[in-house]
Amino acid sequence: QKEVEQNSGPLSVPEGAIASLNCTYSDRGSQSFFWYRQYSGKSPELIMFIYSNGDKEDGRFTAQLNKASQYVSLLIRDSQPSDSATYLCAVSRDVHASGGSYIPTFGRGTSLIVHP
Amino acid sequence: DAGVIQSPRHEVTEMGQEVTLRCKPISGHNSLFWYRQTMMRGLELLIYFNNNVPIDDSGMPEDRFSAKMPNASFSTLKIQPSEPRDSAVYFCASTFQQGLLYNEQFFGPGTRLTVL
Repeated sequence: QKEVEQNSGPLSVPEGAIASLNCTYSDRGSQSFFWYRQYSGKSPELIMFIYSNGDKEDGRFTAQLNKASQYVSLLIRDSQPSDSATYLCAVSRDVHASGGSYIPTFGRGTSLIVHP
Repeated sequence: DAGVIQSPRHEVTEMGQEVTLRCKPISGHNSLFWYRQTMMRGLELLIYFNNNVPIDDSGMPEDRFSAKMPNASFSTLKIQPSEPRDSAVYFCASTFQQGLLYNEQFFGPGTRLTVL
């Protein structure tokens, strides 16, 4: 059973601070890692993906991956009230040797609240 | 493009009734996913189609659930008979999947199902 674990939160940070969201996964064969943001009552939207160990930066967002520790994180710098949402971690592996298909497993999400 | 289209947006029905949820993926996408989201279980993958063929339906909870994709532009998820524990938000997502690397899943707005 593949599992993706996240702290449900809420994680509360002041505006301008760094928000750190964490995710662990059980499947060592996982190859692709994603962070989705979901506003209340809305659908998830992709904000970051990472394939290789290390850091990947995109604007105020940094994804960090450590495959040895089976750990992926998302850092949000200069947090804004508009960042308040639930952040879903998703993990996938290629389940067909021929490629061309995959199945992601989602965590339950961490609720982030950025207060002014 | 209008994005992934789902209908209806809200459905309220009584236990025992048949429910049909509909999805139109983004034109040109070859993979379609049906998810169910609840507070207790988070976002769960129900079934995944690639090129209109069901690849993995291991997430379908039981025989009361069925899904079809008769062509590249339409899919249905049917629940018959419906039960109160089926109450959830059902999301459809699509992507163009090629090769081993992940391509972003685009989610529809979801259908909020309430079974009384």
